[in-house]
Amino acid sequence: DGGITQSPKYLFRKEGQNVTLSCEQNLNHDAMYWYRQDPGQGLRLIYYSQIVNDFQKGDIAEGYSVSREKKESFPLTVTSAQKNPTAFYLCASSKDIAEAFFGQGTRLTVV
Amino acid sequence: KQEVTQIPAALSVPEGENLVLNCSFTDSAIYNLQWFRQDPGKGLTSLLLIQSSQREQTSGRLNASLDKSSGRSTLYIAASQPGDSATYLCAVKPGTYKYIFGTGTRLKVLA
Repeated sequence: DGGITQSPKYLFRKEGQNVTLSCEQNLNHDAMYWYRQDPGQGLRLIYYSQIVNDFQKGDIAEGYSVSREKKESFPLTVTSAQKNPTAFYLCASSKDIAEAFFGQGTRLTVV
Repeated sequence: KQEVTQIPAALSVPEGENLVLNCSFTDSAIYNLQWFRQDPGKGLTSLLLIQSSQREQTSGRLNASLDKSSGRSTLYIAASQPGDSATYLCAVKPGTYKYIFGTGTRLKVLA
């Protein structure tokens, strides 16, 4: 059953702590994306990757880091430099200009 | 700079009504436009993808149209049902790697 899997569903972060959100896809898609969603705002692009071992900053990359060591995996680390990390994070993948598919999201809360 | 607007922000209709959701974008240079559905606390589910060379796409009770020259797309939902209640998002793809999202229309179908 093909798709995108994000984990965990809920994540709690203490002040000054780094946390990593997982995103795995078995759709054989080349491109993967991380978006942040805040209430009343549209989705904003954090990072994207078009091929393995390459990734580019999106519109709000500050305080985040990513890696793309495997085609299937695109983890996102929220670092302590991100001052307002509480949000809903969505991972997506696509192939060229075909349909984009999204995971079920991770809700990150600072405690 | 490409901007995507969705009007209205919220809509409440009685069950059985046909309805139209609107999406407008400022730059007609797009590869495609995609409509998504988002249930509360969930990820995005792809509904319809329209490539730039296409005028419309249909899936069941859903029909999406695209008019690039006027920068508009509409999502038509026939015979609405309470299960259609969700937030509907449109996104345009101005390049090979990026999607730009509207802020969505929150639909409530009353039984």
